[in-house]
Amino acid sequence: GQQVMQIPQYQHVQEGEDFTTYCNSSTTLSNIQWYKQRPGGHPVFLIQLVKSGEVKKQKRLTFQFGEAKKNSSLHITATQTTDVGTYFCTQSGSARQLTFGSGTQLTVLP
Amino acid sequence: DGGITQSPKYLFRKEGQNVTLSCEQNLNHDAMYWYRQDPGQGLRLIYYSQIVNDFQKGDIAEGYSVSREKKESFPLTVTSAQKNPTAFYLCASSMGSGSTDTQYFGPGTRLTVL
Repeated sequence: GQQVMQIPQYQHVQEGEDFTTYCNSSTTLSNIQWYKQRPGGHPVFLIQLVKSGEVKKQKRLTFQFGEAKKNSSLHITATQTTDVGTYFCTQSGSARQLTFGSGTQLTVLP
Repeated sequence: DGGITQSPKYLFRKEGQNVTLSCEQNLNHDAMYWYRQDPGQGLRLIYYSQIVNDFQKGDIAEGYSVSREKKESFPLTVTSAQKNPTAFYLCASSMGSGSTDTQYFGPGTRLTVL
């Protein structure tokens, strides 16, 4: 399936600092979905972006979809230890296959 | 993420043995998926099924087989032909045929082949 690149692969932050992960594609994306996977757990759906330039917020999380629909970002304000986990961006490909990026593994130091 | 069960949570097998992982959903979803995740890696698609009695290979289908005899069940068999079967296996389902479908994941099965 079509791949999306995600950066950074790893990020360590001090509790209270902000965090951003980026998702990039060389081709136009029909949509972007973001998932969070806690250590030892399974991916859990966070949000979906469909429209060019779309911005959605969930409490301290802000999701953006680029104007060209080739990139997306997830920004967490004032991280907490509960934010620890791996954040994946995905896009639906043909036949509804989700193509997952490599993920950004976030560590929050207390 | 509720409504999808995978069993068992941990599974140990000897090399050369086939093993079947269970996945059941009560969400009335049409589509079901199997992914493999290796430590520190993303998810890779093994097989998916859009409808009962039909399934397609994903990116890494070699050494695996599936069946979809019932809407709610999508078992995955890891055969002895799979060269590196030790991994975390995740099953997921989604409602329908739209490109914006959300996938709901089960808790996963950690398979260790000794």
